[in-house]
Formats: sequence, structure tokens, C-alpha cells
Amino acid sequence: DIVMTQTPLSSPVTLGQPASISCRSSQSLVHSDGNTYLSWLQQRPGQPPRLLIYKISNRFSGVPDRFSGSGAGTDFTLKISRVEAEDVGIYYCMQATQFPRTFGQGTKLEIK
Amino acid sequence: EVQLVETGGGLIQPGGSLRLSCAASGLTVSSNHMTWVRQAPGKGLEWVSLIHSGGNTFYADSVKGRFTISRDDSKNTVYLQMNSLRAEDTAVYYCARYSAFDVWGQGTMVTVSS
Repeated sequence: DIVMTQTPLSSPVTLGQPASISCRSSQSLVHSDGNTYLSWLQQRPGQPPRLLIYKISNRFSGVPDRFSGSGAGTDFTLKISRVEAEDVGIYYCMQATQFPRTFGQGTKLEIK
Repeated sequence: EVQLVETGGGLIQPGGSLRLSCAASGLTVSSNHMTWVRQAPGKGLEWVSLIHSGGNTFYADSVKGRFTISRDDSKNTVYLQMNSLRAEDTAVYYCARYSAFDVWGQGTMVTVSS
């Protein structure tokens, strides 16, 4: 299975400031069809996970444009341009290139 | 509106069985790959099982031989039959659409304890 490693595991951020989360995969996530199936999920406290970003940089429906994704191959980044209070929660990267889907350990975003 | 609703969780003794249900509305389970993902208390996400639209089923090694995924197309519902439950199966179990993990249920809590 592909191992997904996130850093940091905890990220205290000041409201209005940017935040960044890194995710590294144990092997390339480039699929044979040429796409890279790396997604980001957000889990707010007491809520199920929610899809934010798919295929590295595509925002899912309804996701604010302060969220952006980038990267290639094995290294990926989720950025929040200006953190808002509703962004508190745990963020997971997930690969969908190879079966089975695997997730990073999660990064807890909290307000300073 | 697309919605998944899980039911069937509860407190069960080690070695016992439970059947979880995931009722779908706004999407047809037989036309989608559907999956179960679990989250132990305070822990991350773990993929558990998958049923393809064609009916093929797949399992994580940790549950293989103990859990069975199935669906009832007439009820538009996916099930997870869990047998020989262990303490380490304690978790919130989520149902989701597998293709993009774009649709998730609210989850149902399973606690395995004596």
C-alpha cells in the first residue's frame, strides 16, 4: 500500500494568516492515465470528512477559493491563504491512484 | 440532495456481530462504487471495504474474513456485516462514495467492549 506522510501534525495559526500542510507519498501518484489522484479532505470537529481538493489542485463544489492545492509526483501541498475560524479541524491527504485508497495521518489546524 | 445515512452501530461484546446499514438518497448505489471507512477514537481514517458497481468486493487485511460488504439494490442500501468483533474494531464507521470520496454519511459508532 502507498504510505502518505503529512507534516506538520499540528499547526497553530493566527486568524487571517496563511497556513500550509505538506503531504508526501511513498511512491509516485501519477496514474497510468496521466492523472495524479491526490485529494485533500477536511474534518471539522464532530463532523464527517469533507472533500476539499481533488487531482492535486481542483476545488470541489462549494469550497472557498482561499483553499488551494499544488504539487506533483510524490510531494503535495495544501494552502489556506487566510485562515478563518471555520477552518479549524483536521486535514487529510488521500491518494486515489492505487488500490486501496490510503490517507495521511492528519494535520490538526488550530487557532493560536 | 445526495445523502448517505448510516445506522446499526452500538455497544457489542468481543466476539459478537453487528450489521451496519448505509441508506442512500439522491444517488443509486448499484451505479456507484461504495465504501466503508472507519475512524477509531482520536485516530485517523482507515479504509475498510469496497463494493464495486459490478458487485466485486474488497477488504482491508485487518477485516478480511470477518467483515462482509453487500448491497440491496431494491432498498438502495449498502451493508457491512461485522463478525468476530474485536476491541480494535471500535470506531466510527462512515459510508462514502468511493470514486472521489465526495459524498459521506454522518457515521455510526461501534464500540466493542465487555
